[in-house]
Amino acid sequence: NAGVTQTPKFQVLKTGQSMTLQCAQDMNHNSMYWYRQDPGMGLRLIYYSASEGTTDKGEVPNGYNVSRLNKREFSLRLESAAPSQTSVYFCASSPRTSWNEQFFGPGTRLTVL
Amino acid sequence: QQPVQSPQAVILREGEDAVINCSSSKALYSVHWYRQKHGEAPVFLMILLKGGEQKGHEKISASFNEKKQQSSLYLTASQLSYSGTYFCGTEVMGTSYDKVIFGPGTSLSVIP
Repeated sequence: NAGVTQTPKFQVLKTGQSMTLQCAQDMNHNSMYWYRQDPGMGLRLIYYSASEGTTDKGEVPNGYNVSRLNKREFSLRLESAAPSQTSVYFCASSPRTSWNEQFFGPGTRLTVL
Repeated sequence: QQPVQSPQAVILREGEDAVINCSSSKALYSVHWYRQKHGEAPVFLMILLKGGEQKGHEKISASFNEKKQQSSLYLTASQLSYSGTYFCGTEVMGTSYDKVIFGPGTSLSVIP
């Protein structure tokens, strides 16, 4: 069991470039999440998917799009990267949204120049 | 909507106790606690549910005061391995899909 995997681990982009962060889980979980972590701000929810086929906005969705490709995979896309999107991005999954432990991936450290 | 955590940071000597608090301005369905070590992903500690149920690691103790919309995490006889940043996450009553919103974190350092 790999748990939650994320690719890439590190990425440097120039302002205006686009990229997709990939996340996959092998625990047959229904719910998946994308968070960003900035110093002093904690974990802020970008988007989440309560179940396959559904996605919903979190606290800070602007500048991002997501795709729940299937039950295992949940990707996060930056269409036109900005320096304000420099952060560490974590993907997580849980059996369902409420009353459930979330399992986090190792994170992607993204720098936008 | 982000919960408030206190203190922001605390330094303990091995064997000392600490309490980390989490409060919300909204009625809560549940409170989640996670610990993150430097450079690693957050790891689950405990969930406390409205009505008194809880699940998590046996060695971790926490409380949830529904009326005050507050939760506290109790770390007793601290060990070096307790060092890290502790996050509380709250599920607010009445929101769709009951998503978890995390607080800014409390940094805990345990020194010999």
